[in-house]
Amino acid sequence: DGGITQSPKYLFRKEGQNVTLSCEQNLNHDAMYWYRQDPGQGLRLIYYSQIVNDFQKGDIAEGYSVSREKKESFPLTVTSAQKNPTAFYLCASSRWGGDQPQHFGDGTRLSIL
Amino acid sequence: KNEVEQSPQNLTAQEGEFITINCSYSVGISALHWLQQHPGGGIVSLFMLSSGKKKHGRLIATINIQEKHSSLHITASHPRDSAVYICAVPAAGNKLTFGGGTRVLVKP
Repeated sequence: DGGITQSPKYLFRKEGQNVTLSCEQNLNHDAMYWYRQDPGQGLRLIYYSQIVNDFQKGDIAEGYSVSREKKESFPLTVTSAQKNPTAFYLCASSRWGGDQPQHFGDGTRLSIL
Repeated sequence: KNEVEQSPQNLTAQEGEFITINCSYSVGISALHWLQQHPGGGIVSLFMLSSGKKKHGRLIATINIQEKHSSLHITASHPRDSAVYICAVPAAGNKLTFGGGTRVLVKP
């Protein structure tokens, strides 16, 4: 079945560490997205990518970095510069152009030790 | 930027009751999305609609483009419908602006 796979489901980070969240899709979608969700708040866009080797900052990109070397993969690195990284992170993908539904992964919950 | 407001924030219903969730937005759009977030966190796209009404099983979504308002109805609600329901509208490109979600609890 086609879909989006995020790993790991739970991740713990020590102060000062960078961590990378994985997102893989086999839907042949051009566009991929990373969102952050905090309790009681709506999803906020961190980064998105329309095409391989290109990505754009979203609304809350500070302290995060991404790469898009392959169409299927869009890993997110939470750097030590992100002062409040504890959150639920969701990856999504869609076709690009017009109104397209987004397909979501099951998310990664990141906590600080 | 489009502001998306959902109401209510929380809703508790008895099994079998009819449930309505509302979504209002501030800027005209071409389509609106309804999403369901399961207790484990995963999100499923329920509907994308640009006019009128769509139905899938016991779920019905309606939109009034002129009034900038959409509703999601759950008929004959069941405990498995317990989830967070989120509406979202397009921003520039394929980006979405999300509402804060409505947490629904259906009691047996």
